[in-house]
Amino acid sequence: DAKTTQPPSMDCAEGRAANLPCNHSTISGNEYVYWYRQIHSQGPQYIIHGLKNNETNEMASLIITEDRKSSTLILPHATLRDTAVYYCIAQLYNFNKFYFGSGTKLNVKP
Amino acid sequence: DADVTQTPRNRITKTGKRIMLECSQTKGHDRMYWYRQDPGLGLRLIYYSFDVKDINKGEISDGYSVSRQAQAKFSLSLESAIPNQTALYFCATSAPGSGANVLTFGAGSRLTVL
Repeated sequence: DAKTTQPPSMDCAEGRAANLPCNHSTISGNEYVYWYRQIHSQGPQYIIHGLKNNETNEMASLIITEDRKSSTLILPHATLRDTAVYYCIAQLYNFNKFYFGSGTKLNVKP
Repeated sequence: DADVTQTPRNRITKTGKRIMLECSQTKGHDRMYWYRQDPGLGLRLIYYSFDVKDINKGEISDGYSVSRQAQAKFSLSLESAIPNQTALYFCATSAPGSGANVLTFGAGSRLTVL
């Protein structure tokens, strides 16, 4: 599994877009990029995933660079409820060992 | 009801006691996982199971055992609890499909070993 690197913390103003970067320079061609978040001490929640193309769902957008060495999770209009730790994982499809790093603590401020 | 239910949600016990954390799911997923989280850190995989007859060690299995009693049930046991097993424990399920292998987590079980 490719190692991922994320900044330990970021701040974002409420209502503004939050852009969370993730570096996965050793990612292989068939590894997906997944994003999860954990609000306080709750169970992590799936946000979005992608392989090559940019993806969007009701929660967020995922932008993957053309060389797939990095990606950005975008929360278009951050709210206070988006304050959480966000985890980026590079993972083979159908593989069972999901490894979570320390993630990025996103602080959304009024 | 939650898709993935963990019991108990909170437990305080003493060193040397046997503890079982239980997980049940209504997702119909074959794959189940146990993770541990220490304060300020990410999740670490303890054990995972492909199906009822399959058990696999994760990165930190020492001091733990598991039982997959049915497709929907996956239990984690600490045979003789020690203080450094004080942590937040999460159960998760997944079922690869449609180009993804997404984990669904339970609410967590907070264990304190005195």
